[in-house]
Amino acid sequence: DADVTQTPRNRITKTGKRIMLECSQTKGHDRMYWYRQDPGLGLRLIYYSFDVKDINKGEISDGYSVSRQAQAKFSLSLESAIPNQTALYFCATSPQQGEKLFFGSGTQLSVL
Amino acid sequence: RKEVEQDPGPFNVPEGATVAFNCTYSNSASQSFFWYRQDCRKEPKLLMSVYSSGNEDGRFTAQLNRASQYISLLIRDSKLSDSATYLCVVNPSNTGKLIFGQGTTLQVKP
Repeated sequence: DADVTQTPRNRITKTGKRIMLECSQTKGHDRMYWYRQDPGLGLRLIYYSFDVKDINKGEISDGYSVSRQAQAKFSLSLESAIPNQTALYFCATSPQQGEKLFFGSGTQLSVL
Repeated sequence: RKEVEQDPGPFNVPEGATVAFNCTYSNSASQSFFWYRQDCRKEPKLLMSVYSSGNEDGRFTAQLNRASQYISLLIRDSKLSDSATYLCVVNPSNTGKLIFGQGTTLQVKP
């Protein structure tokens, strides 16, 4: 089983719908991250969390929210999806500050 | 200026060639540096960390130049399986937020 699991793997939705992407990990790491990847732009940080209930904005947090109710789970929500949120989303964990990231397999989200 | 910049390429090289990528970063206080490899539409995976003294792992060598604020990745004896996108990753401060470059695409041809 994967150490960092994202669900769903693919999602197609319509403009205005509320979407939740889930991430769970079995690595026991405190730090969790959500990134989005667009062609030619690399990965950009949306939100990150260093502990349960700890939430921090990344560089592109507008239009997104997150929840960290347990160490192992970090969910990303789009309250009202728009087409420019179509992207590949990655969840990642790390054991401590500045250390390597472990990624989930990604969620491809398409907003029509 | 972007915090982390890479030449997107693509770099097209024949098998057996040596190829080098550079990555520049803007924050002189950056703490740690990494190279990740990403295959098409897959998750990035750590290739190697970059240490001040430089480090080598088989055919791969990473170097850090703090004075000029860049890191490099050298791949010797390129294999077809090296074809991928190589992401430069920098920790620009003591916050634990890692910043990714846009990636450099490598295509190794037979």
